[in-house]
Amino acid sequence: AQSVTQLDSQVPVFEEAPVELRCNYSSSVSVYLFWYVQYPNQGLQLLLKYLSGSTLVKGINGFEAEFNKSQTSFHLRKPSVHISDTAEYFCAVVQGGSEKLVFGKGTKLTVNP
Amino acid sequence: GAVVSQHPSRVICKSGTSVKIECRSLDFQATTMFWYRQFPKKSLMLMATSNEGSKATYEQGVEKDKFLINHASLTLSTLTVTSAHPEDSSFYICSATRTDRDNQPQHFGDGTRLSIL
Repeated sequence: AQSVTQLDSQVPVFEEAPVELRCNYSSSVSVYLFWYVQYPNQGLQLLLKYLSGSTLVKGINGFEAEFNKSQTSFHLRKPSVHISDTAEYFCAVVQGGSEKLVFGKGTKLTVNP
Repeated sequence: GAVVSQHPSRVICKSGTSVKIECRSLDFQATTMFWYRQFPKKSLMLMATSNEGSKATYEQGVEKDKFLINHASLTLSTLTVTSAHPEDSSFYICSATRTDRDNQPQHFGDGTRLSIL
């Protein structure tokens, strides 16, 4: 079965600092990868996705992620964070042909002034 | 586009009450709808997958008689928590997949906070 590992449960950073949220997945077959953001008491909003093509994908709110097949990773990055980026971030994977999303446990990003 | 609406956003009720949560795709037809449960500071746990006009497929460990799912149309699915108890308190989120298969596997609702007293 597929699994998604988000190594950091909490990441505190200062405003305007860069951040990287790590994500590794287990499947060796074709996968689609996603990052979602969840603000308190809200559903999930798609930040970005990798389906095929360029391994560097850019998303909303200045986030980007790089698909690394050899390391089975899909780390999320932002060069300069804002207070408003404080939220829970989930990495997810869909195996080709499936509709089911498999989520990581989430990383709580806290941006401090 | 691709808006999913959940109602209610929050519900508080007494133990033993049955609670219905609606999930609607407002501007698209949904092939499949999913129901998730999220415990505090935890990830999303898939409860069931439902397709319009057919019985829902429940994940292992999810009680079918406890969590009744109805998917009567391509734009509406409902989750009924029957005879709810305090341990059923949680954040429930639905999502939907478009029939035209856009590049997102699922579009999410804003969730329903269920609190059982």
